[in-house]
Amino acid sequence: GQQLNQSPQSMFIQEGEDVSMNCTSSSIFNTWLWYKQDPGEGPVLLIALYKAGELTSNGRLTAQFGITRKDSFLNISASIPSDVGIYFCAGQLLNRDDKIIFGKGTRLHILP
Amino acid sequence: DVKVTQSSRYLVKRTGEKVFLECVQDMDHENMFWYRQDPGLGLRLIYFSYDVKMKEKGDIPEGYSVSREKKERFSLILESASTNQTSMYLCASSSLSGMVTGELFFGEGSRLTVL
Repeated sequence: GQQLNQSPQSMFIQEGEDVSMNCTSSSIFNTWLWYKQDPGEGPVLLIALYKAGELTSNGRLTAQFGITRKDSFLNISASIPSDVGIYFCAGQLLNRDDKIIFGKGTRLHILP
Repeated sequence: DVKVTQSSRYLVKRTGEKVFLECVQDMDHENMFWYRQDPGLGLRLIYFSYDVKMKEKGDIPEGYSVSREKKERFSLILESASTNQTSMYLCASSSLSGMVTGELFFGEGSRLTVL
């Protein structure tokens, strides 16, 4: 089936550093989404992207929908302790609006 | 505040037992989903439902069934639990417009251990 390749799998960074993670696929997507899962909770939507090339910010978070429609990245600037968690990319395939596919997640650890 | 509630946060069951995981949403959403989450594998779709009494198989339906008798409630059933079904189970819902926006609302998860 279709797959999203999310990297890195995990990251250890110092508080205050910037973070970058990305997702790629061999399939074309209509929509790219980024979710965050706090420890012990369900995932929550952070950013949604609907057009190729779209760049969207939400506070310290910035995400982009790749021009080829096959990739997306998420950047977090000036990380803080509450950024800890698992970040998932997700996408809706072209012509398959009923199906959202998730990446395997990037686990973010922040060192004091 | 919108809410998806999963009935049990933690369950421990024995191999062969029948397991029910219940999910209720208070947002009048049409669509409901069951995912399982495993380390290194991300979220994998088990079943989903667009409407009452309707269900569709996801990517990994084997060993599971679902029931949607009321719009707000979507149950996941393990007819005969096996150890490889030890996992975190996440329920989610979305509105009709959510199928376009891709926004899912998740519950807190049910961690199932099968001994």
